[in-house]
Amino acid sequence: GAGVSQSPRYKVAKRGQDVALRCDPISGHVSLFWYQQALGQGPEFLTYFQNEAQLDKSGLPSDRFFAERPEGSVSTLKIQRTQQEDSAVYLCASSLGSYPSYNEQFFGPGTRLTVL
Amino acid sequence: AQKVTQAQTEISVVEKEDVTLDCVYETRDTTYYLFWYKQPPSGELVFLIRRNSFDEQNEISGRYSWNFQKSTSSFNFTITASQVVDSAVYFCALRANNAGNMLTFGGGTRLMVKP
Repeated sequence: GAGVSQSPRYKVAKRGQDVALRCDPISGHVSLFWYQQALGQGPEFLTYFQNEAQLDKSGLPSDRFFAERPEGSVSTLKIQRTQQEDSAVYLCASSLGSYPSYNEQFFGPGTRLTVL
Repeated sequence: AQKVTQAQTEISVVEKEDVTLDCVYETRDTTYYLFWYKQPPSGELVFLIRRNSFDEQNEISGRYSWNFQKSTSSFNFTITASQVVDSAVYFCALRANNAGNMLTFGGGTRLMVKP
């Protein structure tokens, strides 16, 4: 497709379950970002990949959160032992180039995670 | 540290009114970019505009205009003759060159345009 796609669009998990959220960036985009958007808030940065290298994970809230991009394209955000406070929309974005040059970030539709 | 503040959490106007959404930012970097995104009910963030810190020219695009003032660290967004389709949450964001590649977002302003 032409844009960033994410799956699933909606995920309901019981507290303590592990979840995996997938992001397909725009083909050829070097940079990939994950953001977390709590209800009524702005998106907050989680982590950044340049190709397969995770260059910044300063925004990951705990060691239960793990992200990977093994082949430099598709990325997976995994949350282990989910807690209710993990309920949020998880947004993925990609951009053509790499830091430090500026490149516009294109966002996917997000995955809405609800932890019961 | 970078910070973006959108003091207006919700604005309600009647169609055809003009409306201005405020954005104030903080950064110690001299080189940075400012953005506005629109988030309709579908949830996807739609890019509206980018401005770099060296370009203080105001910009107009159709019914949209942006006023960037470094002296007050503000990047305000005005919609002229608002329409119902403008109803959405609008986010202002900042990318500072020495703060990595991420965007720092404000809390958003929910705009409701009533017919």
